[in-house]
Amino acid sequence: EIVLTQSPGTLSLSPGERATLSCRASQSVSSSYLAWYQQKPGQAPRLLIYGASSRATGIPDRFSGSGSGTDFTLTISRLEPEDFAVYYCQQYGSSPREGTFGQGTRLEIK
Amino acid sequence: EVQLVESGGGLIQPGGSLRLSCAASGFTVSSNYMSWVRQAPGKGLEWVSVIYSGGSTYYADSVKGRFTISRDNSKNTLYLQMNSLRAEDTAVYYCAREVQGVATNWGQGTLVTVSS
Repeated sequence: EIVLTQSPGTLSLSPGERATLSCRASQSVSSSYLAWYQQKPGQAPRLLIYGASSRATGIPDRFSGSGSGTDFTLTISRLEPEDFAVYYCQQYGSSPREGTFGQGTRLEIK
Repeated sequence: EVQLVESGGGLIQPGGSLRLSCAASGFTVSSNYMSWVRQAPGKGLEWVSVIYSGGSTYYADSVKGRFTISRDNSKNTLYLQMNSLRAEDTAVYYCAREVQGVATNWGQGTLVTVSS
């Protein structure tokens, strides 16, 4: 079972700043099968990034993903007010599916 | 437009049963991988179950033997039958359409509360 650990748990930044979120896997994630989701209060998660670095349809280009193997990063280049939310990474390249999600990073307004 | 609408949640006593439904539109459930993901109050996302287009099913250890995922192709609907419910099953349950393992579309969720 691959365990995903996200850091930091909470990130406090101001609009306009750059955000860097980390997701570390306990073993290599095959073929970069790593996704990122955004979740706002009271809403379902929304897919941002898949394949470690491909943006989902309609996602602004200020969101970017990078990494391979066991270390992955979600970067938001210039924070907009609507970007403050919880972000989850997910690995989807291996079985079993237990532990498929990281525990989340809360991005809050400083 | 792809749409997923869950229903069937509610308050249920420990040991009880509940069946969640997820009505899909804009795509064919049987041609896709479909999953259930839950979120306990104030907690993170937890994968629960998946049904592949070929019909294979998989479950998290925490629900194995108690939950059953299925689909009705004629109704284009996904189900989650939940038996022997426990307090720790309390959560918002989301259904999701998967494309190559990625949850590309999500429903709005339905709340299941297990309490006496």
